[in-house]
Amino acid sequence: SAVISQKPSRDICQRGTSLTIQCQVDSQVTMMFWYRQQPGQSLTLIATANQGSEATYESGFVIDKFPISRPNLTFSTLTVSNMSPEDSSIYLCSVEVRGPQQETQYFGPGTRLLVL
Amino acid sequence: QKEVEQDPGPLSVPEGAIVSLNCTYSNSAFQYFMWYRQYSRKGPELLMYTYSSGNKEDGRFTAQVDKSSKYISLFIRDSQPSDSATYLCAMRTNAGKSTFGDGTTLTVKP
Repeated sequence: SAVISQKPSRDICQRGTSLTIQCQVDSQVTMMFWYRQQPGQSLTLIATANQGSEATYESGFVIDKFPISRPNLTFSTLTVSNMSPEDSSIYLCSVEVRGPQQETQYFGPGTRLLVL
Repeated sequence: QKEVEQDPGPLSVPEGAIVSLNCTYSNSAFQYFMWYRQYSRKGPELLMYTYSSGNKEDGRFTAQVDKSSKYISLFIRDSQPSDSATYLCAMRTNAGKSTFGDGTTLTVKP
């Protein structure tokens, strides 16, 4: 299993500013993911972050807007840059742990962001 | 059209009822099928994991996959108020990332 913590748990920000969200895992993992979850909508993958390489971004998400760091196997950050009200959402960090019979994805508690 | 469509809900049932949660999908390459439970203000947690077609039971929960119909279900027997949460279906191919449904919010009333 994996236990994931995120900081901050919530924040209210002004448009045009940036917020960095931290994700800490209690064990070493290769693959970390960042998702966005808007009310009543599914989880949308922003990017996959592997240690030692550039993050891979999904269609519609760019590095300039959502820069990601992955300095080691237990930590990652996601920055939401030049925020607008449309960025208000829950941001979730996730890791994949491969077991003998299945791959399990674990999620952090999320960071609730409100942009005014 | 979305790759994964989930019955939107919300769903409200009395305690002890049998609950059926359903998703359909369009990508025939999906091989792994998951159900996540998400309590309010928490991240999703894996509830059931199924590979290919068939049924899988875990306590009061049964996951069913019908690949011929591209349809998956989660059944909850003897539902409890503690089952009140949003349930997300998810699926992925052998090498791909998970694709999630929009979630169904379930309320079990005592």
